[in-house]
Amino acid sequence: SQTIHQWPATLVQPVGSPLSLECTVEGTSNPNLYWYRQAAGRGLQLLFYSVGIGQISSEVPQNLSASRPQDRQFILSSKKLLLSDSGFYLCAWKVQRDLETGELFFGEGSRLTVL
Amino acid sequence: GQNIDQPTEMTATEGAIVQINCTYQTSGFNGLFWYQQHAGEAPTFLSYNVLDGLEEKGRFSSFLSRSKGYSYLLLKELQMKDSASYLCAVSDSNYQLIWGAGTKLIIKP
Repeated sequence: SQTIHQWPATLVQPVGSPLSLECTVEGTSNPNLYWYRQAAGRGLQLLFYSVGIGQISSEVPQNLSASRPQDRQFILSSKKLLLSDSGFYLCAWKVQRDLETGELFFGEGSRLTVL
Repeated sequence: GQNIDQPTEMTATEGAIVQINCTYQTSGFNGLFWYQQHAGEAPTFLSYNVLDGLEEKGRFSSFLSRSKGYSYLLLKELQMKDSASYLCAVSDSNYQLIWGAGTKLIIKP
């Protein structure tokens, strides 16, 4: 069966510090991978998605970046965090299909607080 | 622009029925999803509608009217564990999901 795991679950970081959130998927190959951010009272905001190794699409220009060094690994990074980066970050995957959308499977989430 | 609207919060009684509405305006339509999200946890998939009509899955049903840009999630025989946020999301012409802000459902005994 397929599983998705992201870490850390919770972190508190000072403004200006770097960030690295990691996500791995097991039990499938060549998944579509996604990073979302969820702010209180707002819908999920797509930050990045990837359809393959080294292929990253950015949906929102900001001080975050993403990388996919391996097929089932997706990393969200920042060199210098801003207060506005605080939120609940979710990694997700879905099966790549040409015409069908398929459902998203989410990781446990990472709660980031920037002080 | 693209927009998904759903009520911010609803309250219902244990054992009762509740209907959560979702209206959408998107560039293209490739299906509508409902997800359940308990506080502090990740969303989990509930249902997917791409054709008009009602899809039933146990205590949960989801309805879609594409001509009206409207969907609802119907929860029957409410249980305390159904207290959660319910997220509506539409897949647009590029197969990207546009998410509503979610409806927080509070179940009272």
